Amino acid sequence: AQSVTQLDSHVSVSEGTPVLLRCNYSSSYSPSLFWYVQHPNKGLQLLLKYTSAATLVKGINGFEAEFKKSETSFHLTKPSAHMSDAAEYFCVVSDPDWGGGNKLTFGTGTQLKVEL
Amino acid sequence: DAGITQSPRYKITETGRQVTLMCHQTWSHSYMFWYRQDLGHGLRLIYYSAAADITDKGEVPDGYVVSRSKTENFPLTLESATRSQTSVYFCASSEHGQRTDTQYFGPGTRLTVL
Repeated sequence: AQSVTQLDSHVSVSEGTPVLLRCNYSSSYSPSLFWYVQHPNKGLQLLLKYTSAATLVKGINGFEAEFKKSETSFHLTKPSAHMSDAAEYFCVVSDPDWGGGNKLTFGTGTQLKVEL
Repeated sequence: DAGITQSPRYKITETGRQVTLMCHQTWSHSYMFWYRQDLGHGLRLIYYSAAADITDKGEVPDGYVVSRSKTENFPLTLESATRSQTSVYFCASSEHGQRTDTQYFGPGTRLTVL
């Protein structure tokens, strides 16, 4: 079974400093991995996804993530945080074994706070 | 382009009542999903549908019923609501259901069961 562990439930950064949100996954296969963002009282929006092409994936709003198979990690980074980045971020793995379409397994989320 | 919409956005009901949450998508995506979001659990899959008239259980289906008579609609019914079903419910859709496909989420319905 697939699983995802987000290593920090809360991360706080200052505006203009780098962002690192950590995610480790467990998978028997080459997984598809996603990062979604959820702003307060909003739905989830896709930031980026890894689907076994390039290991460094660039997403929207300056975010990127690197797939490291040896470390089973898919950490999300951004060089310079902006106030508008304050939100909850979910690391997600797609289960290829389920047989029922693209079942997603979600991490428990990381709340990002950006301070002036 | 409306995308994927949910109604109502907020609902308060009482224990034992039947509640139906609506989900509508305009992309003609084959797959649709219902999730619930609870603190400390991320999102968990309740039911999914591969096409009209094809539905199946997810991780936490007990107490819920779904139907899909039309491709664009996927209502979720709580037949007899319980306090443990207080949650935020998200509907999602994806084009083909392949593991590389993106799921697109609606804005959510916040349900409170008193």
